[in-house]
Amino acid sequence: ETGVTQSPTHLIKTRGQQVTLRCSSQSGHNTVSWYQQALGQGPQFIFQYYREEENGRGNFPPRFSGLQFPNYSSELNVNALELDDSALYLCASSATGGKNEKLFFGSGTQLSVL
Amino acid sequence: QKEVEQNSGPLSVPEGAIASLNCTYSDRGSQSFFWYRQYSGKSPELIMFIYSNGDKEDGRFTAQLNKASQYVSLLIRDSQPSDSATYLCAVPGDAGNMLTFGGGTRLMVKP
Repeated sequence: ETGVTQSPTHLIKTRGQQVTLRCSSQSGHNTVSWYQQALGQGPQFIFQYYREEENGRGNFPPRFSGLQFPNYSSELNVNALELDDSALYLCASSATGGKNEKLFFGSGTQLSVL
Repeated sequence: QKEVEQNSGPLSVPEGAIASLNCTYSDRGSQSFFWYRQYSGKSPELIMFIYSNGDKEDGRFTAQLNKASQYVSLLIRDSQPSDSATYLCAVPGDAGNMLTFGGGTRLMVKP
């Protein structure tokens, strides 16, 4: 198992609500990335944080936002939830975010939007 | 925008056989590739990384990269039922380790 922890493990929300997902990075890692994985698909990159700054963003609307804290833990916030937001949300940390650096994934948060 | 394509499968092989998983990519400038294994309901785990043409071997796993044809393969020798999982191919971004994943190939190894 990696040292990346995510909470909660499962979450059920209704359409239009807001949700916050949390991630603690592995010790010594200052970069956190978030991915969305819909059922039967590969993970899609949402954004990455490096030392508390957004360092890159995928093709997701502004209602997906995030934060990284001084201890390098991170939050993913999703506003105005839609049914298509139902997915496994994966957090991954790495030491510095370098191009070929290994990602260490957490166990994920399964979000269901009803 | 980088694209990575994989056959979704399922690919079914008998125990002890060689499983061959393929991945094609759109960006001719891509230099390095990752293979992840994902068991059902679990998070992806890295099994192979390759950045040069040719083969890279690690135990029962061999990754093959052909930049001219823009494909990367993963061979699993002596397949075991415990290898049954979804295998994801991924390429990093131009300036960091933000990965573009393929859709994954589901492998089933039958005893």
